[in-house]
Amino acid sequence: GEDVEQSLFLSVREGDSSVINCTYTDSSSTYLYWYKQEPGAGLQLLTYIFSNMDMKQDQRLTVLLNKKDKHLSLRIADTQTGDSAIYFCAEKGGSARQLTFGSGTQLTVLP
Amino acid sequence: GAVVSQHPSWVICKSGTSVKIECRSLDFQATTMFWYRQFPKQSLMLMATSNEGSKATYEQGVEKDKFLINHASLTLSTLTVTSAHPEDSSFYICSARGNAGAVDEQFFGPGTRLTVL
Repeated sequence: GEDVEQSLFLSVREGDSSVINCTYTDSSSTYLYWYKQEPGAGLQLLTYIFSNMDMKQDQRLTVLLNKKDKHLSLRIADTQTGDSAIYFCAEKGGSARQLTFGSGTQLTVLP
Repeated sequence: GAVVSQHPSWVICKSGTSVKIECRSLDFQATTMFWYRQFPKQSLMLMATSNEGSKATYEQGVEKDKFLINHASLTLSTLTVTSAHPEDSSFYICSARGNAGAVDEQFFGPGTRLTVL
């Protein structure tokens, strides 16, 4: 089956930028997503990018997609303590209408 | 935005009992609902996909007789864990897709924490 991989942990200082990386194997991915999960809660969609785009910016969030390398990243500018959470990337393939999730990256923002 | 609720948010039950979890789309019609299971510090694993009025499609390795899914209306799906055992303890998350948001956008519920003693 298709695979999505992320590093498990990331720590940054408050005010710095965070970059969370994700790689995937499905070459027919149409949409790629970033979700945020706070402790004990469900998933909140942060942003998504269509596979024919290289970059998408939404306020403090910047998504970069390298389709050739199947690499997706999420940059959070001016990271705040409220950004501490688990971040999941997910992809949806061409014919599949369901999401494949990465393992999640635990982002810890240090004061 | 589209809202999905789950009830209960947490439940503790004795081994051998059955537990029902509800998933509701509050302000849109959900033609498709998904049930996920999440173990601590792990990713979401899709258990099954259900379309309103049809039988659910279960992922490989998920016992359909143990995890009963009913999607009888466009706003409600239920997951019943039958004869629950401690290994069924987990965080169960539903999501819904329908006539809200972008094409194929899924909206997630807040999750239900099941603890089986």
